[in-house]
Amino acid sequence: GQNIDQPTEMTATEGAIVQINCTYQTSGFNGLFWYQQHAGEAPTFLSYNVLDGLEEKGRFSSFLSRSKGYSYLLLKELQMKDSASYLCAVRDLKTGGSYIPTFGRGTSLIVHP
Amino acid sequence: KAGVTQTPRYLIKTRGQQVTLSCSPISGHRSVSWYQQTPGQGLQFLFEYFSETQRNKGNFPGRFSGRQFSNSRSEMNVSTLELGDSALYLCASSLAGPKSSNEQFFGPGTRLTVL
Repeated sequence: GQNIDQPTEMTATEGAIVQINCTYQTSGFNGLFWYQQHAGEAPTFLSYNVLDGLEEKGRFSSFLSRSKGYSYLLLKELQMKDSASYLCAVRDLKTGGSYIPTFGRGTSLIVHP
Repeated sequence: KAGVTQTPRYLIKTRGQQVTLSCSPISGHRSVSWYQQTPGQGLQFLFEYFSETQRNKGNFPGRFSGRQFSNSRSEMNVSTLELGDSALYLCASSLAGPKSSNEQFFGPGTRLTVL
């Protein structure tokens, strides 16, 4: 099975930088995803890491260390619209060949002026 | 390319009833997964269907079932509804395979309220 931990809630100021951490325990690791979910909406894909290192995509970056079972999502130049829940999801090879990820409970980010 | 669609968007049922939810994946996607989302619990995996076969199953009672049709559309059914089944039910589709990101694309969800 998998165990995924991320903080429940974080607050930050508009224009600042925030780092959301995710730790996991799994066997047969096959990738880590970050999703953003605004209240009342479906999750949307942000990033995917399968190798160690930093993946940068605009204001968002995601880092992975497989040996430490650790990832973080870095959000720069925060905007009010970044207030949302951020979900960390880990994928491993499951019985039957499935590659469906397991999601953490999400981190609710509140950006204030 | 059209996204994942789910019907209905909102549903109100009473305890003991049953409900069927529908999901149409993105064209070409053969994997369809269902999740239950409740406040504080995150996304709880229900099951995954691939090529009309249930390929993976989460830890939910047998009251929760599903199926997938030849056109990849999927339905999930919940029988003998309980108050605790009130949740947002999300469907996600993906290409499904080991050698790409195979990100999941989520539908808007069906908000089920059990009274």
